[in-house]
Amino acid sequence: QSVLTQPPSASGTPGQRVTISCSGGRSNIRSNNVNWYQHLPGTAPKLLMYNNSQRPSGVPDRFSGSKSGTSASLAISGLQSEDEADYYCATWDDSLSGVVFGGGTKLTVL
Amino acid sequence: EVQLMESGGGLVRPGGSLRLSCTTSGSSFSSYTMTWVRQAPGKGLQWIASISSSGTFISYADSVKGRFTISRDYANSSLSLQMNSLRVEDTAVYYCARTYALGVVQVAAFSDWGQGTPVTVSS
Repeated sequence: QSVLTQPPSASGTPGQRVTISCSGGRSNIRSNNVNWYQHLPGTAPKLLMYNNSQRPSGVPDRFSGSKSGTSASLAISGLQSEDEADYYCATWDDSLSGVVFGGGTKLTVL
Repeated sequence: EVQLMESGGGLVRPGGSLRLSCTTSGSSFSSYTMTWVRQAPGKGLQWIASISSSGTFISYADSVKGRFTISRDYANSSLSLQMNSLRVEDTAVYYCARTYALGVVQVAAFSDWGQGTPVTVSS
């Protein structure tokens, strides 16, 4: 069971807006920045969002992130078929003295 | 171009040992916190260990503490993971990753990743 809680699945049709949530606690999300990864099976994970809402170079502005209290979310607007992947949130946990990942959300583009 | 490449994975018996390596290129190795992350079959990403840019600070997940050792070689710009007392539940694809950060391990934004090396622990 992951320290950070994500819905196991999400879906949307092309062009729609989808939001993926990540719920944690005081020692992780409340105290530290949240990062998001996109992962396609058999490939290297890709950093999608860092410091809650910052996009690395090359990540489309269709992707946005936010954090409030002990929760964070990743929003994808203008959904595209290529967005179909697994998405993970991650942050440092002060109590565990380590990085914690969410369980992952499998996004399906219908 | 930034590259991280893992090697050393394979099949090992329970209780056995394996040493993974990650060679890096493209940027100053000594400016990055280096990390190992794994993904077991059908499971999500799991952080294993991180080592600071200077090697001074190291942190491990409880599940591997006392069995795994992370280290870095500045002369060869490489990262290693010595895995001892391996268990069936250590079966996973192991990724190395890095973060531009000086002197800290408290990072979770891994900007670059390798393609992973598979480790299978089975009798």
